[in-house]
Amino acid sequence: DADVTQTPRNRITKTGKRIMLECSQTKGHDRMYWYRQDPGLGLRLIYYSFDVKDINKGEISDGYSVSRQAQAKFSLSLESAIPNQTALYFCATSDHRASRYEQYFGPGTRLTVT
Amino acid sequence: ILNVEQSPQSLHVQEGDSTNFTCSFPSSNFYALHWYRWETAKSPEALFVMTLNGDEKKKGRISATLNTKEGYSYLYIKGSQPEDSATYLCAFIWRSETSGSRLTFGEGTQLTVNP
Repeated sequence: DADVTQTPRNRITKTGKRIMLECSQTKGHDRMYWYRQDPGLGLRLIYYSFDVKDINKGEISDGYSVSRQAQAKFSLSLESAIPNQTALYFCATSDHRASRYEQYFGPGTRLTVT
Repeated sequence: ILNVEQSPQSLHVQEGDSTNFTCSFPSSNFYALHWYRWETAKSPEALFVMTLNGDEKKKGRISATLNTKEGYSYLYIKGSQPEDSATYLCAFIWRSETSGSRLTFGEGTQLTVNP
């Protein structure tokens, strides 16, 4: 079983709809991250959380919100989806006790906003 | 926003060729530099986590070096094989006592190894 899972894996939604992407991990890591990847661009950090009570904005947080429901769960919400949020979204985890911020990625969610 | 640059953007080599690519990053407030391998339709996986100036890491035919004073890291692949075809990402971790920490990925180098 995968250590970092994401649901859904693929989603097509319409402009203006609210959508939530979910991430769960069984690695016991305290830190969790959400990234998006667009063609021709690298991974860009949307939000990150160092523990359940600590949520931080990344470089492209506008239009997104997150919730850290438990140490193992970190959800990303698009309150009102727009077409330029079409991208591949990755969740990742890291362990503050181990290698410096080494990221363990989930399988990705491909989101299309029409 | 931290500027992390990778070059070249893409590279096509023949099987058996050796190759290398570069990751450039700010030389101040260095905390760590990661290299990831990202195969098509899969998730990125860590190759190396580098923390000290002069670090050299090796995993099979792949190795990496780090120069934190001048702000660059090289990734080398010796005797490239088709299964080495992937995008290679670097990630720079910046840390300051007053401003916390930041992680920024480069845009990646896409390597294609032709049989």
